[in-house]
Amino acid sequence: AQKITQTQPGMFVQEKEAVTLDCTYDTSDQSYGLFWYKQPSSGEMIFLIYQGSYDEQNATEGRYSLNFQKARKSANLVISASQLGDSAMYFCAMREALSSNTGKLIFGQGTTLQVKP
Amino acid sequence: DTGVSQDPRHKITKRGQNVTFRCDPISEHNRLYWYRQTLGQGPEFLTYFQNEAQLEKSRLLSDRFSAERPKGSFSTLEIQRTEQGDSAMYLCASSLTDRGSAWNSPLHFGNGTRLTVT
Repeated sequence: AQKITQTQPGMFVQEKEAVTLDCTYDTSDQSYGLFWYKQPSSGEMIFLIYQGSYDEQNATEGRYSLNFQKARKSANLVISASQLGDSAMYFCAMREALSSNTGKLIFGQGTTLQVKP
Repeated sequence: DTGVSQDPRHKITKRGQNVTFRCDPISEHNRLYWYRQTLGQGPEFLTYFQNEAQLEKSRLLSDRFSAERPKGSFSTLEIQRTEQGDSAMYLCASSLTDRGSAWNSPLHFGNGTRLTVT
């Protein structure tokens, strides 16, 4: 069963505007972590932001914030003041309690973001 | 911190040939992961090492695939008798994880090795 769902294959945003990338997840665990990664055309996966299931406040890292709605099982990434360099593929990922021994992440299908000048 | 290094960046091989990829993790990281990513998809977990011990292998990892991490440092991923379906980006990642940081430690990825099987 798909555990991480990113329903937006592609998104466009105007430079300097904010954009929200959607992510929903499915887990029966109470303890889990949610991550967002950026993958530019160069291929490297760059860690952006983390949210723990017990964290009461939404995570923020510079221009990135995570809109965490636990009851809805969603963990949307908000990028404020988009820049041309934000054009990339973005992946939502989850680490469940059951996989805490390995620490492996399960990834969604990704969303391609293009920032227009 | 020089980051995770993977070699080669690109590999083109003919069907039936064997290939080997190398990954050098961040030096103090105790965990090392291999993922496979096909075009337009998210990375899929293949296998994982804690120091030198290979502790989990995905069902995606057929008998033609073998991974090692001698001495708990660099790792190699070998694919024997390559098939066209093996064409993908192979990503290596590492993390420093202990009991206190099991949840929030991110994986640090390398640039990947792109394999093309003709």
